[in-house]
Amino acid sequence: QVQLVQSGAEVKKPGASVKVSCEASGYIFTSYGISWVRQAPGQGLEWMGWISTYNGNTNYAQRLQGKVTMTADTSTSTAYMELRSLRSDDTAVYYCARGYGWYPLDYWGQGTLVTVSS
Amino acid sequence: QSALTQPRSVSGSPGQSVTISCTGTSSDVGGYNYVSWYQQHPGKAPKLIIYDVTKRPSGVPDRFSGSKSGNTASLTISGLQAEHEADYYCCSYTGTYTLMFGGGTKLTVL
Repeated sequence: QVQLVQSGAEVKKPGASVKVSCEASGYIFTSYGISWVRQAPGQGLEWMGWISTYNGNTNYAQRLQGKVTMTADTSTSTAYMELRSLRSDDTAVYYCARGYGWYPLDYWGQGTLVTVSS
Repeated sequence: QSALTQPRSVSGSPGQSVTISCTGTSSDVGGYNYVSWYQQHPGKAPKLIIYDVTKRPSGVPDRFSGSKSGNTASLTISGLQAEHEADYYCCSYTGTYTLMFGGGTKLTVL
């Protein structure tokens, strides 16, 4: 069965960086892109961007350009999302999901809580 | 870009039907037949329940249905049950491989 398993919770100080992983199993990793979505406490979902696991192409939400980098390691079927220059308003649960572009986000990871606090 | 517009909350009694709207523009909802809906229970990851405006993934009951007219998409849940109480989010493709979510709607089963 398709599974996306994310890395554990993180606590970071303002200005630091965080890298969240998303290990996929149960399907051919390079056949589907991976999207990243975040949800601040008590707030809605925000699409962050996606990566093609086939060729590494990425597309980021405009407001996160320059702050986020998404990568994928096909040898381990793992996608990564790195967020830099963390601020308190980056505190959120970060989800990876299978799918990109017009393809629906049909499987989701369990979420990773990133807390930014001094 | 602002989020797609959804009502903050809707409610209904068991057995009734409810409809949640999702309003965008001709650049997103109205421009593509790529609207999806996600159900999220507290503390859980979102779950895909409708995609491509009207299609249901395998395993999602037919009490969930989707539609679209112009720049507004809708999700209808018929035969409300307590387990349907959750947050619901619409999502639309906006071109150039970007997505936009709605602000979310809290469904309360009375």
